[in-house]
Amino acid sequence: SAVISQKPSRDICQRGTSLTIQCQVDSQVTMMFWYRQQPGQSLTLIATANQGSEATYESGFVIDKFPISRPNLTFSTLTVSNMSPEDSSIYLCSVKGGTSGGAENIQYFGAGTRLSVL
Amino acid sequence: RKEVEQDPGPFNVPEGATVAFNCTYSNSASQSFFWYRQDCRKEPKLLMSVYSSGNEDGRFTAQLNRASQYISLLIRDSKLSDSATYLCVVGSRFDSGGYQKVTFGTGTKLQVIP
Repeated sequence: SAVISQKPSRDICQRGTSLTIQCQVDSQVTMMFWYRQQPGQSLTLIATANQGSEATYESGFVIDKFPISRPNLTFSTLTVSNMSPEDSSIYLCSVKGGTSGGAENIQYFGAGTRLSVL
Repeated sequence: RKEVEQDPGPFNVPEGATVAFNCTYSNSASQSFFWYRQDCRKEPKLLMSVYSSGNEDGRFTAQLNRASQYISLLIRDSKLSDSATYLCVVGSRFDSGGYQKVTFGTGTKLQVIP
């Protein structure tokens, strides 16, 4: 399994500001994933972050709002830009478990960032 | 229809009871299935993978029914510590990197009562 460190663990932000969330993995991984979990909802994939290329965004999410960096195989950042109260959510970083034996589809998550926008 | 559907609950059961959750999925081409557990204000963690032949891990039994497109999770002899939200996860699509993308259900909340 992968050990994922995510920070900050929580933040309270003012409308119109931006927050950058960091995700550090203890091993090299090809892809990292960013999810959002709104209160009472399930996890929604925001984007897949590939090292050395542009992130791939899911429908409803755009780079201008959620820019992602992936400078190396163990680190990624997600920025929530020009925040509004609707962005209040838990943001989770995730990686896949491995490359074979069925483990490739198991996902491990960081502890999440609980964001509240006032 | 949602890709993955679960009864949100809550399921309130006494300690020692047996409880079962079902999850239905819409994509017949789905290839991987999991149950995750999410404690309150924590991240999801893998509980168990679900194999075609069914599998058991202690008090937990998972089943897959491809014909009816559902998976189930059975918990026997419920403990207070089993109280959590159980997320059904289905892998159905391949992305450009060759990995399946996974879809999460909204979760079923279980509360085990003393």
